Amino acid sequence: DAKTTQPPSMDCAEGRAANLPCNHSTISGNEYVYWYRQIHSQGPQYIIHGLKNNETNEMASLIITEDRKSSTLILPHATLRDTAVYYCIVRAGSNDYKLSFGAGTTVTVRA
Amino acid sequence: GAGVSQTPSNKVTEKGKYVELRCDPISGHTALYWYRQSLGQGPEFLIYFQGTGAADDSGLPNDRFFAVRPEGSVSTLKIQRTERGDSAVYLCASSLASGRSNEQFFGPGTRLTVL
Repeated sequence: DAKTTQPPSMDCAEGRAANLPCNHSTISGNEYVYWYRQIHSQGPQYIIHGLKNNETNEMASLIITEDRKSSTLILPHATLRDTAVYYCIVRAGSNDYKLSFGAGTTVTVRA
Repeated sequence: GAGVSQTPSNKVTEKGKYVELRCDPISGHTALYWYRQSLGQGPEFLIYFQGTGAADDSGLPNDRFFAVRPEGSVSTLKIQRTERGDSAVYLCASSLASGRSNEQFFGPGTRLTVL
């Protein structure tokens, strides 16, 4: 599986955009980039995924670089409820049922 | 609609005891997954079911761990002769199918504490 690298933590001001980076320089051509988040004492929650094009849904936007070696998850207007651990995951090609979580980025949204 | 539910939410047991953790997936989801999350770490894959059969149990740490899904719906994770190192949050997830694009929905987890 391609590995991902994320900063361990970041702070964000409430109401501002939060930009969460992820490096996945060994990603293969058929591997997707997934983002999940985990609020304290809850199970992980799916946010968004993409292959090569930028994606947007009601929760976030995903920007993938043209060479696909990195991506950025954007929370457009962070709220206190967005405080969570955010995981960037690359889905393996042959074993695509497994989610391989790393340590993630702990995002703290401050009022 | 109902999400993935797990019972109990908390389980405290003594070293050497046997425990069962239950997962009720979302109705109609054919794929079911168990993960384990130790304090301060991300979840780690344990086992994956497609229907009634365990398609991949490579993540189970040793033969004290076993999981079943006899009717293709509810699943039970069983741990024999528990050890203190088994203490963790055990997460269950389900999805409509197992393909790469199928979102996994997680339950709230069972926090297991082995004294």
